[in-house]
Amino acid sequence: NAGVTQTPKFRILKIGQSMTLQCTQDMNHNYMYWYRQDPGMGLKLIYYSVGAGITDKGEVPNGYNVSRSTTEDFPLRLELAAPSQTSVYFCASGGQGTFSEQFFGPGTRLTVL
Amino acid sequence: ELKVEQNPLFLSMQEGKNYTIYCNYSTTSDRLYWYRQDPGKSLESLFVLLSNGAVKQEGRLMASLDTKARLSTLHITAAVHDLSATYFCAGDRGSTLGRLYFGRGTQLTVWP
Repeated sequence: NAGVTQTPKFRILKIGQSMTLQCTQDMNHNYMYWYRQDPGMGLKLIYYSVGAGITDKGEVPNGYNVSRSTTEDFPLRLELAAPSQTSVYFCASGGQGTFSEQFFGPGTRLTVL
Repeated sequence: ELKVEQNPLFLSMQEGKNYTIYCNYSTTSDRLYWYRQDPGKSLESLFVLLSNGAVKQEGRLMASLDTKARLSTLHITAAVHDLSATYFCAGDRGSTLGRLYFGRGTQLTVWP
């Protein structure tokens, strides 16, 4: 049981390049989330999904896109990377219901130069 | 939007001492979460507080929730070096969608 896995762990992009951050969970959770964490700050929600085929925007969605074709996978797409997207990105998953909690992946550290 | 404020943001304390981290939030949040993050690592869930008056304890850490005051506290008892980390609180506005709003975190350093 690997939990939440993310790839890559580190990446450097040039301004204007695109990339996809991968996220997979093996806990059969319906809910999945993408957050970004800037230095000295808490996490901010980018996008989330409540099930395959259903996604919605969070607090800071501009410059990103997501898709959810399976329960397990929730990739995050960066189009036209900008320096403001330099951050650490965390994927999380959680079950439904009052007692659910979110489990976080190891993170992807992205630098845009 | 739910605003979550933690204080202090930085805390340096001696081993053996007690201290409390405070987490205030702006609107209704029936659930309050505490996470721990070690440098360069992911977030580890510590506590999920589900109702007013909830208190949970694990080792030297105790968390409580007062929904009327919109306040949660994380109390550290007899601190040890291994507790050095950044601690985040987060609320979810009481919805079932699990959208979390995080505070900026409290960076705790415990020294001998």
